[in-house]
Amino acid sequence: SQQGEEDPQALSIQEGENATMNCSYKTSINNLQWYRQNSGRGLVHLILIRSNEREKHSGRLRVTLDTSKKSSSLLITASRAADTASYFCATDAGAGNNRKLIWGLGTSLAVNP
Amino acid sequence: EAQVTQNPRYLITVTGKKLTVTCSQNMNHEYMSWYRQDPGLGLRQIYYSMNVEVTDKGDVPEGYKVSRKEKRNFPLILESPSPNQTSLYFCASSLFGGPYNSPLHFGNGTRLTVT
Repeated sequence: SQQGEEDPQALSIQEGENATMNCSYKTSINNLQWYRQNSGRGLVHLILIRSNEREKHSGRLRVTLDTSKKSSSLLITASRAADTASYFCATDAGAGNNRKLIWGLGTSLAVNP
Repeated sequence: EAQVTQNPRYLITVTGKKLTVTCSQNMNHEYMSWYRQDPGLGLRQIYYSMNVEVTDKGDVPEGYKVSRKEKRNFPLILESPSPNQTSLYFCASSLFGGPYNSPLHFGNGTRLTVT
């Protein structure tokens, strides 16, 4: 498996339900970012969480980071049809010339009206 | 409106015919990057630029060229396209210091088909 691996690959829920997706990684990180991509469009930044932070909120989004388990979760509360998209985590790892942003393969979320 | 603009949105071409995909940002960002997105492979970085006249290879630079003569523009050049370069391409920018501490802003993508 690769750095920044999302789970599940696909998720289908009803409008109003909560959606949780997870990102696991292998090496220690500087920070972790979540992005959303609507079908065929560019990615949109959602949240950046630093390695010394455990939780961040933005509107209906809640991101947690557990560096001991090398994992992060993105929770979308009270989901809407407009939340239908793919969600990617990107881990910032390394330092200096070896610093890289590594992308996961994404979780495809379908919110059914 | 702050944005990253890529053109064209769709492009179909033939093997070996040189093409350029343009990218322009109006946010005075120092960092710009090109990615390709393929099913099952995710986003892979092609080239990036930390600032004007500074470009570096990403993970999959073979078959591509870039230039950064001005801060706002970062064109992607395929000198001799091949079918394995059929992909969805994204240009992205961030304020400074790379995509690490400030978020990436993405264009809407260019879907390239090489026959």
